[in-house]
Amino acid sequence: DAGVIQSPRHEVTEMGQEVTLRCKPISGHNSLFWYRQTMMRGLELLIYFNNNVPIDDSGMPEDRFSAKMPNASFSTLKIQPSEPRDSAVYFCASSPKATNEKLFFGSGTQLSVL
Amino acid sequence: GQSLEQPSEVTAVEGAIVQINCTYQTSGFYGLSWYQQHDGGAPTFLSYNALDGLEETGRFSSFLSRSDSYGYLLLQELQMKDSASYFCAEGPGGGNKLTFGTGTQLKVEL
Repeated sequence: DAGVIQSPRHEVTEMGQEVTLRCKPISGHNSLFWYRQTMMRGLELLIYFNNNVPIDDSGMPEDRFSAKMPNASFSTLKIQPSEPRDSAVYFCASSPKATNEKLFFGSGTQLSVL
Repeated sequence: GQSLEQPSEVTAVEGAIVQINCTYQTSGFYGLSWYQQHDGGAPTFLSYNALDGLEETGRFSSFLSRSDSYGYLLLQELQMKDSASYFCAEGPGGGNKLTFGTGTQLKVEL
């Protein structure tokens, strides 16, 4: 299996622009998570899905952030409009149904908002 | 809510043994996981403790004491490639949610 695939690997954009991050989970995994990592705040859970349904989005910082999972093999995290404080590494992770303590992380998207 | 604390940095020499501690305060504890993250890389799963005691996986062992709200990761026969950040994580809860600790940067020196 190719693992969790995220794109783009790096994104540089200007303040006010829309940013869309993409994630393909491991086939057969029922849970998908979006995390954000910064030096100041560490790894923060933004939102997670079970069977394509958003379960908890309490970590989404503002209405500027939205996430979708239209099917079992694809999810997006959108920021509109982006701000410099959104600069971070965004990780997508998936896990099998039975062993959810083990998350499989993608390589992450390094986002820089200028 | 959940709160997990770790030392920010630990330094050890190659071949030695090092212990990375994690103390937690949670409302409803399920288990403690450990993840490794190299610079520029993604976190990767190392181990999980749901019950008190020691779990061993090769050179790595993880310990949990629920009564003390405490756990640790033990790394033996340290190698240079073990230089990385190590995170403890609590969960998953009823909603399959993991909350990560602050992370410990381990530096292995010659």
